[in-house]
Amino acid sequence: EIVLTQSPATLSLSPGERATLSCRASQSVSSYLAWYQQKPGQAPRLLISDASNRATGIPARFSGSGSGTDFTLTISSLEPEDFAVYYCQQRGSWYTFGQGTKLDIK
Amino acid sequence: EVHLVETGGGLIQPGGSLRLSCAASGFTVSSSYMSWVRQAPGKGLEWVSVFYIGGSIYYADSVKGRFTISRDDSKNTLHLQMDSLRAEDTAVYYCARGVTRYYFENWGQGTLVTVSS
Repeated sequence: EIVLTQSPATLSLSPGERATLSCRASQSVSSYLAWYQQKPGQAPRLLISDASNRATGIPARFSGSGSGTDFTLTISSLEPEDFAVYYCQQRGSWYTFGQGTKLDIK
Repeated sequence: EVHLVETGGGLIQPGGSLRLSCAASGFTVSSSYMSWVRQAPGKGLEWVSVFYIGGSIYYADSVKGRFTISRDDSKNTLHLQMDSLRAEDTAVYYCARGVTRYYFENWGQGTLVTVSS
């Protein structure tokens, strides 16, 4: 099983700041990596697929990068609605998710 | 517009059975990769099972032999039959649609399953 490790566990920032979230895979997943956003009481929402492709309707402030084992989700300038939990997910070998990064307001 | 609605959750005793349903609209389940993903209270996401377009079915090791995924194309609905339930199966169960076999583009609102005596 491919294990995804996200860091940091919690990230405290202010609106307008830049957020950088990391996801590391225990073995290469090529570019088969996605990012999801989940707000309390809601289902996850797909943000990024294939490591760097924004899903339909996702604002341009969200960007993804990386390949192989190291991936990054960047939010260029945080809006109030961006404070949530973010998960990475791989499909290099079945489906596994990272443990999540909680982005909260500083 | 794509819409997924899960039903069937509830409180069940350990060892019991429950059947979840996911009613889809705005697309056809037979033309999508349909999965169940669960989330234990306060925890992360765990993939449970997938029904491929071609009919192949796969399960996570944690539920293999106890859960059965099925698809009713006439009703455009996905099901999850859960038998021999354990306390660790307690979670919100989400139905999720994949346009490809790689990711989950659309999600339902989830249904809570609580396994407790």
